[in-house]
Amino acid sequence: NAGVTQTPKFQVLKTGQSMTLQCAQDMNHNSMYWYRQDPGMGLRLIYYSASEGTTDKGEVPNGYNVSRLNKREFSLRLESAAPSQTSVYFCASSGRLAAYNEQFFGPGTRLTVL
Amino acid sequence: TQLLEQSPQFLSIQEGENLTVYCNSSSVFSSLQWYRQEPGEGPVLLVTVVTGGEVKKLKRLTFQFGDARKDSSLHITAAQPGDTGLYLCAGGAGGTSYGKLTFGQGTILTVHP
Repeated sequence: NAGVTQTPKFQVLKTGQSMTLQCAQDMNHNSMYWYRQDPGMGLRLIYYSASEGTTDKGEVPNGYNVSRLNKREFSLRLESAAPSQTSVYFCASSGRLAAYNEQFFGPGTRLTVL
Repeated sequence: TQLLEQSPQFLSIQEGENLTVYCNSSSVFSSLQWYRQEPGEGPVLLVTVVTGGEVKKLKRLTFQFGDARKDSSLHITAAQPGDTGLYLCAGGAGGTSYGKLTFGQGTILTVHP
């Protein structure tokens, strides 16, 4: 049982390049999330998917797109990377839609945009 | 927009000392979760509190949810170097915000041997 997996673990991009961050969970969870973590700012929600086939914007969606490919997989795409998108990206999943559902996080992708 | 303010942002203490981390908001939350994150890894859930005034203990860690469900605290007794890490509080809103959490900025704890 791997939990939440993310690829790649590290990535360096040049400004304007595009890339997709992959996330998969094997816990049969309905909901999945993408966060970015910057020093002193905690975790900020980029996009989330409450269930397969639905996606919604979070707090900081500009410059990103997502795809809920199936129940297991939720990808995050940067179409034209900018230095401001340098961050650590975390994918998470949760198994209930109740207000206090616990989230399980992947190990993160450290992205640097030059 | 709901906000969670964590304090202090940094905490550096000696092994054996006690400490408290605070998480405050002007908003009411349906639940309050505490996570711990080690360098290079994702956050891991420690506890969830859902009832105003609720107290939960996890070995040397004591978590409390405020009576009005606007604030929470994490108290560590006799801290050990293994407690070193980033501690994050997160509030759950409920209603149409099912599943979404609002995170505090985090508290970086360093426990020196």
